[in-house]
Amino acid sequence: ETGVTQTPRHLVMGMTNKKSLKCEQHLGHNAMYWYKQSAKKPLELMFVYSLEERVENNSVPSRFSPECPNSSHLFLHLHTLQPEDSALYLCASSQGQRNTIYFGEGSWLTVV
Amino acid sequence: DAKTTQPPSMDCAEGRAANLPCNHSTISGNEYVYWYRQIHSQGPQYIIHGLKNNETNEMASLIITEDRKSSTLILPHATLRDTAVYYCIVWKDYGGSQGNLIFGKGTKLSVKP
Repeated sequence: ETGVTQTPRHLVMGMTNKKSLKCEQHLGHNAMYWYKQSAKKPLELMFVYSLEERVENNSVPSRFSPECPNSSHLFLHLHTLQPEDSALYLCASSQGQRNTIYFGEGSWLTVV
Repeated sequence: DAKTTQPPSMDCAEGRAANLPCNHSTISGNEYVYWYRQIHSQGPQYIIHGLKNNETNEMASLIITEDRKSSTLILPHATLRDTAVYYCIVWKDYGGSQGNLIFGKGTKLSVKP
């Protein structure tokens, strides 16, 4: 139990579907992150939120849309995805942007 | 950001100490050495971090050389559940902003009975 909970753990979606990944952290942190891990590739940082404001967006395609309604919750809205977007999507949080980052268990996404 | 070099794989006998090396010869003075591990199909787990001094916690020990160009993560009594990919990451402190936690390929540690 890491204190960062992601749902669903597994998701299969068609290319025309719209779905969302949810992340909730119970650590009282104020920064949250989305990472992507494709097969045989290192983790890639996608988005960073600090105090509920997006502070970094690493050239992620617009078919991925993050939302941070409060410091405990982070969503990743998915629409019109491609099969190559199939990956493990990891949420993480930290107290401030200069402290240790803690990861959730990840959401396995398969786009068919 | 400084890059790190780790062996792609290592084996360790169960119950023995696992010593995982990491080279970070271009590390600068304000960069920390972080270690994470990732067990198959799970999110990365924070292990330990340090700046200059050796560090120890309930999971592991971190030994950083005096010139800070390399470090070793020590799991004192490896168990089968320690089988994972171990990432050594050098993380720059940009003074107010985070910089990115950049993961490389890591070392796949296999603990064998």
